[in-house]
Amino acid sequence: GAVVSQHPSRVICKSGTSVKIECRSLDFQATTMFWYRQFPKKSLMLMATSNEGSKATYEQGVEKDKFLINHASLTLSTLTVTSAHPEDSSFYICSGMSLHTNSYEQYFGPGTRLTVT
Amino acid sequence: AQKVTQAQTEISVVEKEDVTLDCVYETRDTTYYLFWYKQPPSGELVFLIRRNSFDEQNEISGRYSWNFQKSTSSFNFTITASQVVDSAVYFCALSEGSGGGADGLTFGKGTHLIIQP
Repeated sequence: GAVVSQHPSRVICKSGTSVKIECRSLDFQATTMFWYRQFPKKSLMLMATSNEGSKATYEQGVEKDKFLINHASLTLSTLTVTSAHPEDSSFYICSGMSLHTNSYEQYFGPGTRLTVT
Repeated sequence: AQKVTQAQTEISVVEKEDVTLDCVYETRDTTYYLFWYKQPPSGELVFLIRRNSFDEQNEISGRYSWNFQKSTSSFNFTITASQVVDSAVYFCALSEGSGGGADGLTFGKGTHLIIQP
C-alpha cells in the first residue's frame, strides 16, 4: 500500500508556543488529506479535510485559527497548533487519499504524539 | 448524521479462541462505506477492509472474516484461532456518500482486544 509519513513522531512543547506537524505522502499524490485527533484510549475524531491548493474544511467544534492546516502540494500537508495549551496534548494522525484512483482508500500516517507542558 | 457504535470496550480471550468484534452503524445515506482498522500499541493504523453498502457478501481473509448485515446495520469482525499478535485496538469506521471515504471517516470508539497466551 501507499506510504504516509509524519514528522515529528513525538514533540514536547511549552504552553503558549506553536508546533508544526508535517504529513507527507511518499509514493503517491494525495489530492486530499485528513487530520484526525485521538485522545488516550479514545476514538479518532476528524478535525479537518484539506484539498491541495484550497482552504481546509474544518469539522464542527474545531478552531480553525488554532489548528492551521496547509496543503500546499500534492505530497505535503502541515498542521500547526498555535499557542498550544496542555489540553491540546493528543495523538494527531493524518491520512492521504488520491482521487486519481478508484479506491478512495485513506492511507494513514504513523501519528504524532504532542505533549504540551 | 452518521454514527458508529462499538459496544465492546475491551475483550480478553485466550489464544486460539475465536472472537467477534461488534460494530453497529447509523446513516441516512443509501451509499456508504464501512471500514475496519487495527491499531497496535505503536499507534499506526492498519487498514483491514473496506466494504460498500451495496456489497453484502461476507468476506474471509485468512483468519479474519467480516459479516455485513444491512438489516441490522451491523458489520461484525471475527478472528478465528486468535493469536497474541492480534492484540490491538480495533476500530470500525463509516464514510457516507459515494466518495468511498473522500469525506473523512467517522470512527467508533474502538475495541481493545487482548489475546492471552
